[in-house]
Amino acid sequence: GQQLNQSPQSMFIQEGEDVSMNCTSSSIFNTWLWYKQDPGEGPVLLIALYKAGELTSNGRLTAQFGITRKDSFLNISASIPSDVGIYFCAGQLVMTTDSWGKLQFGAGTQVVVTP
Amino acid sequence: GAVVSQHPSWVICKSGTSVKIECRSLDFQATTMFWYRQFPKQSLMLMATSNEGSKATYEQGVEKDKFLINHASLTLSTLTVTSAHPEDSSFYICSASSRPRGNQPQHFGDGTRLSIL
Repeated sequence: GQQLNQSPQSMFIQEGEDVSMNCTSSSIFNTWLWYKQDPGEGPVLLIALYKAGELTSNGRLTAQFGITRKDSFLNISASIPSDVGIYFCAGQLVMTTDSWGKLQFGAGTQVVVTP
Repeated sequence: GAVVSQHPSWVICKSGTSVKIECRSLDFQATTMFWYRQFPKQSLMLMATSNEGSKATYEQGVEKDKFLINHASLTLSTLTVTSAHPEDSSFYICSASSRPRGNQPQHFGDGTRLSIL
């Protein structure tokens, strides 16, 4: 299916460094979501954004809903080894009887943290 | 809150077998559940949208007779892979959301690794 443009594809960083990734789309979304997926597990919701321009934090994570509603970024500050995983952005379509709130996913950003 | 349980977590079976995967919302009522397939090192691919008490809506290219979906209650949806073949081997993940006044995020199960021999 259609995917959002997520970058970078992968990041190799040292423990303590900050991480930044972003997603862009040609479509407008009412909700942007950021998930983290560990190997062999399902995605876990990190942050949900509901308003254009919204900036939301969850611990060391900060995400913003772009003012155009077509983009979002996620920052991880002071990375630690357990930040390793694949991070996915997702734009959620408006809940209608046609879309049922379907998600469009980015391709993911693989984060590797070295001690 | 918002816990989604998926069972089984891992299945290995012979070609031609039908396999049923369950997805349960444990602490909320899920009017809508979604079924995804994920190949190694790739993103999630939506297969179908399941609404309680009605027929599932399948994405283009997904065979509805191959992947049977039932959403009989507000806490349970099942995906049955009928007459599975090796090409059906994949990681299947469900998600659930409650009927929103505004949009509600989807919460995911832990996935089912299906291996067809």
